[in-house]
Order: sequence, then C-alpha cells, then structure tokens
Amino acid sequence: QKEVEQDPGPLSVPEGAIVSLNCTYSNSAFQYFMWYRQYSRKGPELLMYTYSSGNKEDGRFTAQVDKSSKYISLFIRDSQPSDSATYLCALDWAAGGTSYGKLTFGQGTILTVHP
Amino acid sequence: ETGVTQTPRHLVMGMTNKKSLKCEQHLGHNAMYWYKQSAKKPLELMFVYNFKEQTENNSVPSRFSPECPNSSHLFLHLHTLQPEDSALYLCASSQEPTYEQYFGPGTRLTVT
Repeated sequence: QKEVEQDPGPLSVPEGAIVSLNCTYSNSAFQYFMWYRQYSRKGPELLMYTYSSGNKEDGRFTAQVDKSSKYISLFIRDSQPSDSATYLCALDWAAGGTSYGKLTFGQGTILTVHP
Repeated sequence: ETGVTQTPRHLVMGMTNKKSLKCEQHLGHNAMYWYKQSAKKPLELMFVYNFKEQTENNSVPSRFSPECPNSSHLFLHLHTLQPEDSALYLCASSQEPTYEQYFGPGTRLTVT
C-alpha cells in the first residue's frame, strides 16, 4: 500500500467551476499536510499548508484535513485557466509541532481549466 | 521567479559517463534537498542537508553521490547510471528542515 494515494487525473473543468482535489494516506503519524502546485517546466511551489486537522482558507483555495479518515482535500472556487497545473499533496512528520521537512508526496493531479 | 537555480536544465548521458548536477540557492536558507520526479510516480526525497551536514539518505543507490560544500550550493554527482534513472531531478531549500520548501526548476536527465 502506498503511503499517499492521489488520483493523477487528468481533470478538465470549465472556467468558473469548483474543483475538488484529494489524497488519502495510511500513516497516522503525519501531522503537516501541504498542497504544492507545479506549472509545466517549473518546480513545485507551496500553495497551502495545514497543521493537524481542520480547514484553512486562502482566497479561492480551501484546504481540509480529516485525520480520522486520513483524507485531505483542496477546493478551488471560481477556477481560472491560470489554475491549470499539477497539484501535489505532501505530508510531513512532526515532533513537538515542528515539521521534519521529510516530505512524502502524492503522485499529483493534472488539472486543466478551459475558458 | 524562485531563488533556487539548477544547472544544467537538460542533460543526456551514457551509462558509463560521469556528470554532476548543480543547485544554488540565493535565499539564505540552511537546509537543502534533492528530489527525483519520475513519470507516473510521486516526487521522491533523496537527500537532505542541514548546515552542510547530510541528515537524510533515503536509501539512494551509491551511483548518486551528493555534495554540499556550503549552505548555498548542492551538487549531485552521477556515475554509471541506469536508464531507469532518467527523471527530473529537483533541488529545494528551506530556512531549516521544514514543510515550506522552495524548489528549483529541475534538471531533466536522460540516461541512454
């Protein structure tokens, strides 16, 4: 069983749609939950992070973590063509609330938002 | 534009060659990382350096040899690679070992 499962897609949606991306994981020791975005021919960039459980909102983006189900989600509202990219979930261990920096990534979901 | 640069951006090498990948960060960070990104596989952590000291080797074959002469530079020395080593090699840095990492654009390596 993979530590982190993420549907690679591809996912194609029209502009303005609500996008839902998700990952499941198997190890309950993960404490930090991140979403990275990777544009074509670029390195990943951190989009959002959540420590432990709960929701976090940043503009059109909302990250959710459900530790009881080992399930994390990223929602994109009013999606734009500029959101077209690969979205990678990443998880990290922690000790005393401090991240180890040893990220375990999902495979990434390729998203295309068409005008 | 990120503060992490990688050279070369593309590299083709034979299985008997020796080559090196270079990474430089201009962010004043103390931790640096090497990742491998293969097609249809998750991004995979290879090595972690903190203040020039290697703190993580994720069971990487010895044909990959990292070097961190200072906190701003990271190298990956390659020798006798296999075709399955063809991938995008990404370098990242962070202030300290943590979840917030800044990635370079990667080196696309092809082993023939």
